[in-house]
Amino acid sequence: KNQVEQSPQSLIILEGKNCTLQCNYTVSPFSNLRWYKQDTGRGPVSLTIMTFSENTKSNGRYTATLDADTKQSSLHITASQLSDSASYICVVSAKSSGDKLTFGTGTRLAVRP
Amino acid sequence: DTGVSQNPRHKITKRGQNVTFRCDPISEHNRLYWYRQTLGQGPEFLTYFQNEAQLEKSRLLSDRFSAERPKGSFSTLEIQRTEQGDSAMYLCASSLNSDLGEQYFGPGTRLTVT
Repeated sequence: KNQVEQSPQSLIILEGKNCTLQCNYTVSPFSNLRWYKQDTGRGPVSLTIMTFSENTKSNGRYTATLDADTKQSSLHITASQLSDSASYICVVSAKSSGDKLTFGTGTRLAVRP
Repeated sequence: DTGVSQNPRHKITKRGQNVTFRCDPISEHNRLYWYRQTLGQGPEFLTYFQNEAQLEKSRLLSDRFSAERPKGSFSTLEIQRTEQGDSAMYLCASSLNSDLGEQYFGPGTRLTVT
């Protein structure tokens, strides 16, 4: 069964600090891995998409890494801001028609002033 | 607003009633997806369309659920004889016809079955 696990479940950091979120997956055959940001009560918004051959991708203060051998990914947030408070969801796509996504349960990040 | 829109945003219904949700994708997107998200969980795939064709349905989609995309534009998701376990956020997403196409999500419809 395709699965995506994330850690930690929740995290509280002070504004301006950095943090790293983890993702392990068992989706096979692997196509791509995405990180989404989801504000409470809103739909997810894509941050990064990485294929098998990519091991790092940045989007502003967000940097995602991918190790396809160990099936692990991380999302690093630099110089956190209050607006970074949200759930961050790791999403993996298998090679199949339609790009069906398998979502993790997310890490809920709270940035405090 | 040129993003994905969903209506209604919130729906409260009594157990046993039928409900229908609507999703309007980004206009040039030919793929449309429905997901369900319960509190504290990530979204779960329900079904997807390429143009008007429904190409895949999850086993989560029981016989009480039906989705249509009659003209390859907007889509509707109907739940018949709602149960309390159907209470969730129903998310719609659309993308271009590509396995790396970014899926753009709508704001969701939150269903509460009492």
